[in-house]
Amino acid sequence: NAGVTQTPKFQVLKTGQSMTLQCAQDMNHEYMSWYRQDPGMGLRLIHYSVGAGITDQGEVPNGYNVSRSTTEDFPLRLLSAAPSQTSVYFCASSYSFPGGGRTDTQYFGPGTRLTVL
Amino acid sequence: GESVGLHLPTLSVQEGDNSIINCAYSNSASDYFIWYKQESGKGPQFIIDIRSNMDKRQGQRVTVLLNKTVKHLSLQIAATQPGDSAVYFCPSRGTYKYIFGTGTRLKVLA
Repeated sequence: NAGVTQTPKFQVLKTGQSMTLQCAQDMNHEYMSWYRQDPGMGLRLIHYSVGAGITDQGEVPNGYNVSRSTTEDFPLRLLSAAPSQTSVYFCASSYSFPGGGRTDTQYFGPGTRLTVL
Repeated sequence: GESVGLHLPTLSVQEGDNSIINCAYSNSASDYFIWYKQESGKGPQFIIDIRSNMDKRQGQRVTVLLNKTVKHLSLQIAATQPGDSAVYFCPSRGTYKYIFGTGTRLKVLA
């Protein structure tokens, strides 16, 4: 299994550009989530999904869209990039949602480093 | 609501010594706890977990202790090695989500 994969690893955008961060998992996990990590801020939840076709907002959803058309993929879209979105983005997945059972341990991808100029 | 607190943002430990990283939680109904390790440039990685019906759980060189009376969790690393240098998280479990704090950075001194 490849686990959780993220592309690209690095990206530089100009303010106002749009892009999609890709996330895929091959473990048949129902729950997937996106976090951003900024220096001194820990990991903050952007959006999450408890299954295909179901998504919801986390702590910092503004400026981001998500969709979950398949179990495997959970792309994160930036519609109009802003310098405040410069961060490292992590995608994670688990068998069940937090609180849904013992197997809610999250597996994280390697991250995407995004810089918005 | 849930809160996660780590007593120290940075912990420096001599190589070979034991490390103890602490974590406080607020929700007495929490029934499951996980520790993650994040090495520089990588995503967080699961280390060990513990259910609320246990006080202690051991892994390879790591032990997690749970004190439900004072709502305190600790991660003990035996014979700390340079490879243990990382940020450690003990996220709290919310509804459909985990809430991560800023973590504790463990520095291993040669």
